[in-house]
Amino acid sequence: DAGITQSPRYKITETGRQVTLMCHQTWSHSYMFWYRQDLGHGLRLIYYSAAADITDKGEVPDGYVVSRSKTENFPLTLESATRSQTSVYFCASSGVLMNTEAFFGQGTRLTVV
Amino acid sequence: DAKTTQPNSMESNEEEPVHLPCNHSTISGTDYIHWYRQLPSQGPEYVIHGLTSNVNNRMASLAIAEDRKSSTLILHRATLRDAAVYYCILRDSYNFNKFYFGSGTKLNVKP
Repeated sequence: DAGITQSPRYKITETGRQVTLMCHQTWSHSYMFWYRQDLGHGLRLIYYSAAADITDKGEVPDGYVVSRSKTENFPLTLESATRSQTSVYFCASSGVLMNTEAFFGQGTRLTVV
Repeated sequence: DAKTTQPNSMESNEEEPVHLPCNHSTISGTDYIHWYRQLPSQGPEYVIHGLTSNVNNRMASLAIAEDRKSSTLILHRATLRDAAVYYCILRDSYNFNKFYFGSGTKLNVKP
């Protein structure tokens, strides 16, 4: 089915561990985004990507690493998880035109203990 | 870097129209105005977008001020399923990749 999927949906990890959140889209959209949403707050942009092998920082990139070797995948890695990274993470994709809509995944709820 | 201002919360009665305002006084000439909403425990979903003219779709209408410094999302008949956080977003024409959300308006719909 066409769409954008995130995995896992829920993850509990320990402080200091590396964890990777996966995002996969089937539209071949050029643009992909990662956001975090802390409890009771809006979404903040972590990283974005304009195409395969092109990524750049958003508002809150510290502690995160991204890669994009294939158009359809945009994994987000927390190299050494901290409690402050406990959040819900959303991935999104959109086409190349400024007036196209973005599609969001269902989110990954990450808890760092 | 969100460049929009919205009320924190609004309340509406079911079956009545709702007007959700957004101020974007620093909008540039080629910024598109997008609206998204986020239902509880879900990812944001697209509602509507526009550039200069008013827009209608099956979900809502978007009224854009003549000077483009403000816009209003109109839900013609609110239902309980419309209870959500509504985000007004400018798609930055010079930094197209940067798609920033503000804090949004939490809409409560009363039966």
